[in-house]
Amino acid sequence: DIQMTQSPSSLSASVGDRVTITCRASENIARYLNWYQQKAGKAPKLLIYAASSLQSGVPSRFGGSGFGTDFTLTISSLQAEDIATYYCQQSYSSPWTFGQGTKVEIK
Amino acid sequence: QVQLQESGPRLVKPSETLSLTCTVSGGSVSSGSYYWSWIRQPPGKGLEWIGYIYYSGSTNYNPSLKSRVTISADTSKNQFSLKLRSVTAADTAVYYCARDHYSNYRWFDPWGQGTLVTVSS
Repeated sequence: DIQMTQSPSSLSASVGDRVTITCRASENIARYLNWYQQKAGKAPKLLIYAASSLQSGVPSRFGGSGFGTDFTLTISSLQAEDIATYYCQQSYSSPWTFGQGTKVEIK
Repeated sequence: QVQLQESGPRLVKPSETLSLTCTVSGGSVSSGSYYWSWIRQPPGKGLEWIGYIYYSGSTNYNPSLKSRVTISADTSKNQFSLKLRSVTAADTAVYYCARDHYSNYRWFDPWGQGTLVTVSS
């Protein structure tokens, strides 16, 4: 199985800050990387697919980049409603696997 | 707008079979453009993909659960289902169904709201 490792596990930032979450795959997954946002008590929601494509309806302050083994999710200006846990997921090879999550809180 | 809704017993006894159904509205499980997946999340933990079914009936399961899992579909009811046999407390989780977008790239969208299944006597 491809292992997905996210860092940090949690972070605290102020409203308006630029926030960066990284995801590393245990092997080359090209651009087969998705990002999800999960708010407390809710189902995950797709933010980014194919490493950098913004899902329809997702605010443009969310962005994704990377290729191969190293990927980044960036929130350009953190908003209060962005409080959530963020997960990366590889769709390069089965079984599809997720990172352990990064919890984002407001400072 | 496609919506998915999980249903089934919330409490299952150890060694018995967990059975859940996902009802799809606003779209069709017979669509050749999508797979239909089950994903679970133990309380306070991360996400684990369980498996998927395609409209043709072909399936693919996570090897970690393959010996205990069956996913099936009822196209007449626009539903797909999960059966997990011989459950233990470790199978206690929120179970989500999701549409597995099938193209050059793949992703899960949308997801059902999830249902917590507790394994306990």
